[in-house]
Amino acid sequence: EDKVVQSPLSLVVHEGDTVTLNCSYEVTNFRSLLWYKQEKKAPTFLFMLTSSGIEKKSGRLSSILDKKELFSILNITATQTGDSAVYLCAVVPLNTDKLIFGTGTRLQVFP
Amino acid sequence: EPEVTQTPSHQVTQMGQEVILRCVPISNHLYFYWYRQILGQKVEFLVSFYNNEISEKSEIFDDQFSVERPDGSNFTLKIRSTKLEDSAMYFCASSGTSGVPDTQYFGPGTRLTVL
Repeated sequence: EDKVVQSPLSLVVHEGDTVTLNCSYEVTNFRSLLWYKQEKKAPTFLFMLTSSGIEKKSGRLSSILDKKELFSILNITATQTGDSAVYLCAVVPLNTDKLIFGTGTRLQVFP
Repeated sequence: EPEVTQTPSHQVTQMGQEVILRCVPISNHLYFYWYRQILGQKVEFLVSFYNNEISEKSEIFDDQFSVERPDGSNFTLKIRSTKLEDSAMYFCASSGTSGVPDTQYFGPGTRLTVL
C-alpha cells in the first residue's frame, strides 16, 4: 500500500531558527512529490519535485528529493511567526494523478 | 492570481439529507478533484474528473457520492444521503492546462457538519 510518513509530527521553534521537515514515502512507481502549507484551510502549493538532488528554492524555503532513499526534506531558514502552519507532503504515483498525503508536520514559530 | 473557489464555506445538515458542494476551478484547468479531511486526520483523495467523466475514484467514493460539471465553470460534489461520518472538510482542487495533470491547486474548502 502506498504510504507517506512525515516527521516530526510537531515542532515548536523561536523566530529566526532554521527547521527541517522530513517526508519519507513508499509508493509503487513514483512520479512526483509535492509540499503544501496548510494554515487555516486550503493547502497552498509550495514545491513539486520530480528529480533527485535538484534543490527547489523560494525565498527562505527550499526542498530536495532523494529518490534512492525515498525521502524529501523541506527547509525553512530564519523562521517567522507567519511560517506557523501544518506542512503537508504528498506523492503522486505513475498512472494516476491522485495525491497521497502524509499526516503533516505542525510547525509553531514563537516570537 | 487565479484561484479555486468553493461554496458554501460551512454547511450544516441533518443525517439522511442530500448536500451539494460547489467549486469553481481555475478557468483554464482541465482536471478536477475532490478530497476530504476528517478533523485531525490526513487529507484523503475522493475522485478525479477529466473530460466530463470520472477518471479515478477511491473506496470512499461509493454510490452515495456523485460529481458533475453542469456548465463550463462549476464542479459539484453531491452526497445523496449524508451520514454522521461524512462530517469533514471537503476540498476541491484543479490542475493541468495542457492535457497532462500537473500541480493541484486547492480551494478553501467546505466544512460539512452532519447532525
